[in-house]
Amino acid sequence: GENVEQHPSTLSVQEGDSAVIKCTYSDSASNYFPWYKQELGKRPQLIIDIRSNVGEKKDQRIAVTLNKTAKHFSLHITETQPEDSAVYFCAAIARQLTFGSGTQLTVLP
Amino acid sequence: DGGITQSPKYLFRKEGQNVTLSCEQNLNHDAMYWYRQDPGQGLRLIYYSQIVNDFQKGDIAEGYSVSREKKESFPLTVTSAQKNPTAFYLCASSILRQGRSGNTIYFGEGSWLTVV
Repeated sequence: GENVEQHPSTLSVQEGDSAVIKCTYSDSASNYFPWYKQELGKRPQLIIDIRSNVGEKKDQRIAVTLNKTAKHFSLHITETQPEDSAVYFCAAIARQLTFGSGTQLTVLP
Repeated sequence: DGGITQSPKYLFRKEGQNVTLSCEQNLNHDAMYWYRQDPGQGLRLIYYSQIVNDFQKGDIAEGYSVSREKKESFPLTVTSAQKNPTAFYLCASSILRQGRSGNTIYFGEGSWLTVV
């Protein structure tokens, strides 16, 4: 089945800096890659997604890139703010949605 | 997300007891899912259902059971066979089954289950 690896597991950045989280996937049939943000004790919320026919997508301070050849995709957050602090999960869909293990992002004021 | 309702939010289970977590959605979604999340960990798929009266095991189905008698409802029973059930349980739904066209999954607010 699909295997999604996510790095790093923890990431600390200064407010205003950029943060990058990277994921790799194993199943070349995967065609949809969502990113979720989860605050402590709450449900994951979709923040951005990308489909396999697109290489990059941007929504304000958040962008996602996809390299199908290398089977990896990344989340980029620019101008980070303290409220960006949360756990971020990548995911990939082939037969079913498989999540990465998560990245705890801490934005230091 | 507001269209997926899980209950109860907090539940305590005694040893040897079965408990059922409710999940209802009014989004007219075809597919529904149950995920388990342990503290500081990712999400693991327990069961999923793409159509009424049909469901499939996920990665960690042992000790759990589900039913899908109605499109909007997908209850999860945590049986006494599940030896370590303390976790955060998330129900989710999507408009089409995964793998067909990659549709967004939306989550309920989750249920905390604790063994006492």
